[in-house]
Amino acid sequence: AQSVTQLGSHVSVSEGALVLLRCNYSSSVPPYLFWYVQYPNQGLQLLLKYTTGATLVKGINGFEAEFKKSETSFHLTKPSAHMSDAAEYFCAVSGSGGYQKVTFGTGTKLQVIP
Amino acid sequence: NAGVTQTPKFQVLKTGQSMTLQCAQDMNHEYMSWYRQDPGMGLRLIHYSVGAGITDQGEVPNGYNVSRSTTEDFPLRLLSAAPSQTSVYFCASLGEVTRGYTFGSGTRLTVV
Repeated sequence: AQSVTQLGSHVSVSEGALVLLRCNYSSSVPPYLFWYVQYPNQGLQLLLKYTTGATLVKGINGFEAEFKKSETSFHLTKPSAHMSDAAEYFCAVSGSGGYQKVTFGTGTKLQVIP
Repeated sequence: NAGVTQTPKFQVLKTGQSMTLQCAQDMNHEYMSWYRQDPGMGLRLIHYSVGAGITDQGEVPNGYNVSRSTTEDFPLRLLSAAPSQTSVYFCASLGEVTRGYTFGSGTRLTVV
């Protein structure tokens, strides 16, 4: 069984401020972890992923996330928010190996204030 | 461009009507799935397929049917539409699991 909890359905930051979107997961097997971004009226795009190896992963548009096994967390960060970062962000978890069901969090809408 | 194509983009149905949402991918992905997205509930898995001829239920399968006769196509059928099926539907495909899903642009369905 696996699940994802995203803390905060809405997050507001000022342009240029740090972005921190929180994600905690549970999984009975070693997880693969993903962050997806959804812009208005569009599908989801892969932002970054952790599968194996380095626990700090970098994605597109300056985002990064760190896999912390002891805290079962995979928080998404960006040092300086840009207006174009306004979107909804989804954390997701799957088991490793083969075709595994992916479980999504409920999403966090990021608002960037000029 | 390679990807997942969903049609139609918008649809309004009357209660009791049936329809098929189309999904096609040209990446030769074996794994395909259908999700519905509702406010505050994230994405919920309806049905999925691990290859042609093989389908299985997700967490919210009631009222929906799928089939997978080819690798490319994975249509979702609403048998008798209900207002509770008003939602945005996404089709997604997966090649290597480490690459993550490729999503279609979605179908916004309203049942009145």
